[in-house]
Amino acid sequence: DAGVTQSPTHLIKTRGQHVTLRCSPISGHKSVSWYQQVLGQGPQFIFQYYEKEERGRGNFPDRFSARQFPNYSSELNVNALLLGDSALYLCASSMRSAGEQYFGPGTRLTVT
Amino acid sequence: QQQVKQSPQSLIVQKGGISIINCAYENTAFDYFPWYQQFPGKGPALLIAIRPDVSEKKEGRFTISFNKSAKQFSLHIMDSQPGDSATYFCAASTKGGKLIFGQGTELSVKP
Repeated sequence: DAGVTQSPTHLIKTRGQHVTLRCSPISGHKSVSWYQQVLGQGPQFIFQYYEKEERGRGNFPDRFSARQFPNYSSELNVNALLLGDSALYLCASSMRSAGEQYFGPGTRLTVT
Repeated sequence: QQQVKQSPQSLIVQKGGISIINCAYENTAFDYFPWYQQFPGKGPALLIAIRPDVSEKKEGRFTISFNKSAKQFSLHIMDSQPGDSATYFCAASTKGGKLIFGQGTELSVKP
């Protein structure tokens, strides 16, 4: 079975631009969570979606938004990019809103 | 109170030795404690997890020890191998599913 997939793998953007990151959960999983991992640190929670509804939001500015589609895939959008948004963006899926979370390989975003 | 504190920051162990990584938490509402292994350029991989109703869980060479009264838990890697060299993260969550991660431990197993 395929694990969590994320696209693109790498992305380079300029300050002020916006970006859309995509995630497909493990088949049968209905919950998707997004995390930001800055180099040398643990992942930080951004959003959780379950059955297409937002179930949690971390301490991130309104420039960050997300949504989940009827097939349970998800998008993370970041507007007005800042240099500090450079990080590895991780998507994790789980069967339920509270359960074991399995991470994808991440999208490496570089903002110049 | 939402923090999970992890130590040590880095660890060097000889092949065949025992690697021990410790985590401490404050929020007594946490009810799920997973450990993740991350290789450079990869996403974290779930290794083993425990809930606070048990004091120990073992899967192969990996064991979690959990001390509810001290609000501490640890990962023991028995017979450590060079292939275990990676960064290890402890985490904790409440019923909501949001994971709070520790700062990570970079493990190096020397042959």
